[in-house]
Parts: sequence; structure tokens; C-alpha cells
Amino acid sequence: KAGVTQTPRYLIKTRGQQVTLSCSPISGHRSVSWYQQTPGQGLQFLFEYFSETQRNKGNFPGRFSGRQFSNSRSEMNVSTLELGDSALYLCASSVPASSYNEQFFGPGTRLTVL
Amino acid sequence: AQKVTQAQTEISVVEKEDVTLDCVYETRDTTYYLFWYKQPPSGELVFLIRRNSFDEQNEISGRYSWNFQKSTSSFNFTITASQVVDSAVYFCALSEGEGGADGLTFGKGTHLIIQP
Repeated sequence: KAGVTQTPRYLIKTRGQQVTLSCSPISGHRSVSWYQQTPGQGLQFLFEYFSETQRNKGNFPGRFSGRQFSNSRSEMNVSTLELGDSALYLCASSVPASSYNEQFFGPGTRLTVL
Repeated sequence: AQKVTQAQTEISVVEKEDVTLDCVYETRDTTYYLFWYKQPPSGELVFLIRRNSFDEQNEISGRYSWNFQKSTSSFNFTITASQVVDSAVYFCALSEGEGGADGLTFGKGTHLIIQP
């Protein structure tokens, strides 16, 4: 079974631009979560999608948004990029059920904002 | 609000030594899940273990073992006879409730260095 894939792996943008990151979950997984990892703040939860609906969102400004498609693939978008948005963005997929299932993480997209 | 504390920022040991990574958590929920993940230099988080709040049994998997104690809100991870390949950043994480919608709250991580 193929793992979680994220594209692109590396991205360089300048302040003020916007960026879209993509995540393809493991086949059969319907929940996709996004996390931001920075040296200062560590790993922080951005949002979670299930069946094309955002079920929860972390404490991030509205510049961070996402969506999920009917095939469970997900995208996240960051508008008006700031230097502080430079980070590793990790996507995770899981099979939601009555009890929590482990999240499987992709390799991440490393975003650098200049 | 939930919180995970990994007080050890970095640990360095010589190969074959045993090492314990500490994790202390805070939550108001009675139903919660605890996790350990490993992050090698490649960046991808690798799932190691999940434990729910109703299961205090310790677990052993090869050289890895986990000690969950609700009385002290701790979920510590021990590597026995460490190997150079164990070098990585290890994260402890917490999720409240069920269904996976709430996201994981991670500790700051412990950078484990195994010297040959």
C-alpha cells in the first residue's frame, strides 16, 4: 500500500505570494490532517478534514485554509505569505472510526519564504 | 487545554546503553490517546505506539518499551541496547476524545543521539 504523498517536497516563495500544497492520503483513508513544524513552535495542528468537511481547526490565522476533495485528497493554501510561514508542512491520514486510529504522516513539504 | 511536556531537549548516549525518554501530559478529558512518533532526519514522522486512557498496560516491542502511568500523567519510552539507527527526534503526542477530529498535541520533542 502506498503511503501518504505530498507535493511538492520543496518550495521557495517570496513574501506576499500565496502557495498551495497537496496531500494524497493512503488509499481508504478518509481523514486528512495538516500540521506545521517550525523550530520555535514545534509541531502544531492546522486543520482536519473528513468527507470534504473541515471538522476542526487549530489556532492559525485565516490566511491558512484548506479543502478536501471527494477522493480524499487534500490541499492547503497559505495566502499573503510571511517570513514566519517558513516551515515543514506535514500531512497525515487516518481511518476515523469509533476509536482513534493512528495517523500516518507524509514526508512533508518544506516551504521557505524569502 | 491539553499539553504535552518533553523536558529532555537532547539526550546523547553511547551505543548499547539503555535510554528513557520522558513524557508528561495534561488533559481534562477522561478519554484520550497518547502516541509516540519518531522523526528521522528525512523528516517523515513514523508512528511507534498508541495507548488509550483506559489501557494502562505497559507494552514491549523488541527493544522498545513504554510505561504508561495515569497517576503521574506520564507515558515514558525506553529503548534498550540502543543502536545508531535509533538516532532521531522523538515526539510524544496527545489527542482528546475519539474520532480523530481534534488533531494531535505534540511535545517539543527529544533529540536522541546514539554515538557509536
